[in-house]
Amino acid sequence: DIQMTQSPSSLSAFVGDRLTITCRASQSINSYLNWYQQKPGKAPKVLIYAASTLQSGVPSRFSGSGSGTDFTLTIDSLQPEDFATYHCQQTYTTPGTFGQGTKVEVK
Amino acid sequence: EVQLVESGGGLVQPGGSLRLSCAASGFTFSAYWMSWVRQTPGKGLEWVANIKQDGSEKYYVDSVKGRFTISRDNAKNSLFLQINSLRAEDTAVYYCARDRSWFGDLRKKWFDPWGQGTLVTVSS
Repeated sequence: DIQMTQSPSSLSAFVGDRLTITCRASQSINSYLNWYQQKPGKAPKVLIYAASTLQSGVPSRFSGSGSGTDFTLTIDSLQPEDFATYHCQQTYTTPGTFGQGTKVEVK
Repeated sequence: EVQLVESGGGLVQPGGSLRLSCAASGFTFSAYWMSWVRQTPGKGLEWVANIKQDGSEKYYVDSVKGRFTISRDNAKNSLFLQINSLRAEDTAVYYCARDRSWFGDLRKKWFDPWGQGTLVTVSS
């Protein structure tokens, strides 16, 4: 199975900060990479699919980039509602494995 | 509103069985692949199984093959997961999710939406 490694595992930030989360695949996955946001006690919600396509309804402060093995999720001007855990997922092969998650907390 | 609602979780002894259900509404259920995904504090999110629109194809993660069975009833807009021979490591929140994919590129796929999840606890 392809291993997905996110960094950092957690971070603290201020409202208004620009944030970057990294996801690295153990082998090339082309651009088959999704990002999900999960708030405590809630199900994950897709933010970005195919590495850089913003899901309908997701604010434009979220963006994704990368291909091959290295990917990033960027949040411009962090908002109070963005404090959550973010997960990456590859869909290049079955099973579509997830990263371990990155928890974004208030500083 | 597109909605998925799971049920059927609970406390079960090792070796026991449960049947999870997922009721879908707000979309044409029979037109989509559907998946089960589970989440544990230790291992994070793990895709468990998925099923084609007409139920003719089913796929499982290796760790549940032979123990879990995914099925669906399109007439009742329902997805199921029969879980047998439960182990402590199967303890998790189980989510059902609709598979979305890009026409012409089935690798370009994502889960949207997800249900609220149902907790399965395996313990004696």
